[in-house]
Amino acid sequence: EVVLVESGGGLVQPGGSLRLSCAASGFALSRYAMAWVRQAPGKGLEWISGMSESGYNTYYIESVKGRFTISRDSSRNTLFLRLSSLRSDDTAVYFCARATIPFGDYSYYYMDVWGKGTTLIVSS
Amino acid sequence: QSVLTQPPSVSAAPGQRVTISCSGGRSNIAESYVSWYQYLPGAAPKLLIYDNNRRPSGIPDRFSGSKSGTSATLGITGLQTGDEADYYCGTWDSSLTAWVFGGGTKLTVL
Repeated sequence: EVVLVESGGGLVQPGGSLRLSCAASGFALSRYAMAWVRQAPGKGLEWISGMSESGYNTYYIESVKGRFTISRDSSRNTLFLRLSSLRSDDTAVYFCARATIPFGDYSYYYMDVWGKGTTLIVSS
Repeated sequence: QSVLTQPPSVSAAPGQRVTISCSGGRSNIAESYVSWYQYLPGAAPKLLIYDNNRRPSGIPDRFSGSKSGTSATLGITGLQTGDEADYYCGTWDSSLTAWVFGGGTKLTVL
């Protein structure tokens, strides 16, 4: 069975840092592109970061560039998201998702496997 | 404000049909394939439609998708109370070099 399980959320003070983890089972993380998506309270889903299958290409939305870093450990089959300089508007449920990019063409991009999320609260 | 525009809510009676629209632009829907997701708070989002109109295995044919120009539509027939959820469209945006979601549509089955 293909499963993603996020962990690492919690309560962090503004300006603080945290690392989220996403453990994959049932497939090899190194064979897929991956993504992080979040949902802030009362808001919709927001894609915040992605990594290509090769791991060489990473993508971020403007509001997290320079503060968040996506990475993976293939030996542990785990995806990470390092969050720093946290702000109150980073408070959200964070999901990881497996992305499928047929033919390596991003116009075909979609996310077919999702975790249930981990909650981050940024507050003093 | 989301790059893709969806109605905040739609509603219909059990057994009826509903459509949810998703409007975008040249750098996203016009040149990329659209996928749709069902989300119930507390659960994992679920892929319903990919490549504009293809269903993953296990998704009933009550769910359908279409795309024309810079807009896409999700259709759900034979509505069930279990379909009550938030629905999101999404696609790759070549100008942003990022994935974009619509703002989400809350479906109420009356």
